[in-house]
Amino acid sequence: GESVGLHLPTLSVQEGDNSIINCAYSNSASDYFIWYKQESGKGPQFIIDIRSNMDKRQGQRVTVLLNKTVKHLSLQIAATQPGDSAVYFCAENQGQGKLIFGQGTTLQVKP
Amino acid sequence: DTGVSQDPRHKITKRGQNVTFRCDPISEHNRLYWYRQTLGQGPEFLTYFQNEAQLEKSRLLSDRFSAERPKGSFSTLEIQRTEQGDSAMYLCASSGSGATGPTDTQYFGPGTRLTVL
Repeated sequence: GESVGLHLPTLSVQEGDNSIINCAYSNSASDYFIWYKQESGKGPQFIIDIRSNMDKRQGQRVTVLLNKTVKHLSLQIAATQPGDSAVYFCAENQGQGKLIFGQGTTLQVKP
Repeated sequence: DTGVSQDPRHKITKRGQNVTFRCDPISEHNRLYWYRQTLGQGPEFLTYFQNEAQLEKSRLLSDRFSAERPKGSFSTLEIQRTEQGDSAMYLCASSGSGATGPTDTQYFGPGTRLTVL
């Protein structure tokens, strides 16, 4: 079936470096994608979203890139900080707001 | 605090017992969603409401599960005759109606962690 997945379960980066978290999706009809951050014991926190008519969208220290040709999106975090340590999920909106989540990438920031 | 709230935050119960969780969405949001999340996995969609109407239910929502949103504000999720496999984090989210566009951001609550012994 259709699914949204992430390439790596864990990513370890040095504080101050840039982080790139990847996600592959399989439903070519998907038109809206969201990145969430989830800290231990908390609910997912919205980070940034992107629609399929865009290739790139920037927020504060975060950028999402969408490559529809290869059905891939990525989340880039600039100058990674210890507070960025969390599990990151990409999610696909399948209409009426129903979100399909991938399994998540754990970002570990080394001081 | 104007975010999504859930109660209780933790629930431990014995197999076979019934449990009920509550979700209070962001006040101006008319869409409310329930998800289930097991350890190491992403959240899985269970059901959603627009105002008081339950518009979609996942096949994950067995007959032992029932959700209500009687006045279009808070929602409850009840699990009857709990099983050990029901142990998970139950997340609630809310969003606007989508009237301003095809999609609206879902804001999640802190979740209710259920442990069935």
